[in-house]
Amino acid sequence: DQQVKQNSPSLSVQEGRISILNCDYTNSMFDYFLWYKKYPAEGPTFLISISSIKDKNEDGRFTVFLNKSAKHLSLHIVPSQPGDSAVYFCAASGLDAGNNRKLIWGLGTSLGVNP
Amino acid sequence: DGGITQSPKYLFRKEGQNVTLSCEQNLNHDAMYWYRQDPGQGLRLIYYSQIVNDFQKGDIAEGYSVSREKKESFPLTVTSAQKNPTAFYLCASSPGQSNQPQHFGDGTRLSIL
Repeated sequence: DQQVKQNSPSLSVQEGRISILNCDYTNSMFDYFLWYKKYPAEGPTFLISISSIKDKNEDGRFTVFLNKSAKHLSLHIVPSQPGDSAVYFCAASGLDAGNNRKLIWGLGTSLGVNP
Repeated sequence: DGGITQSPKYLFRKEGQNVTLSCEQNLNHDAMYWYRQDPGQGLRLIYYSQIVNDFQKGDIAEGYSVSREKKESFPLTVTSAQKNPTAFYLCASSPGQSNQPQHFGDGTRLSIL
């Protein structure tokens, strides 16, 4: 049962336009959300995060929006660049029943930015 | 430069053999993790360690073993009991039980001959 869902396996965007990557979660215990970027044959790289007490966090071209009532978050990349082409993972963090912090990952969305 | 080093990048194993994947970090992080990624899948947690000489099973620990004798090192052994070991293995570390992001190595791709 996927607790963190990225329903779009892939997304294609024109250079200079906005890329919007979506993520839904089911567990209300999650209190922190992260986006990672991954190139082939490399480890994921942290991109941006947001606490559940906020609804928006911005860092340069990257903005993450959180809608707690809908259990939905999105990553906006503006303007998109060819170097942004990668797989983007959404991850959610929360304490489990044993009070251990767990990080649950989505399956990823492959973003292609066309020149 | 601080970071996480995984070696080797590619590893081949014969069926029935155990193999150990190396993970070293010089970030002075307390916590370390091992993940497995299969094609079209997200990252699945194998084992994690929050402190030296202590580790816990993740979601798919069967067929794997780890040790944490030093803060910098968290080797993963893929045993012959692991039925489907071919995968991309990722090691990560973080400052500890917090929301600090995990830092990843570049992974080891294990294949069965």
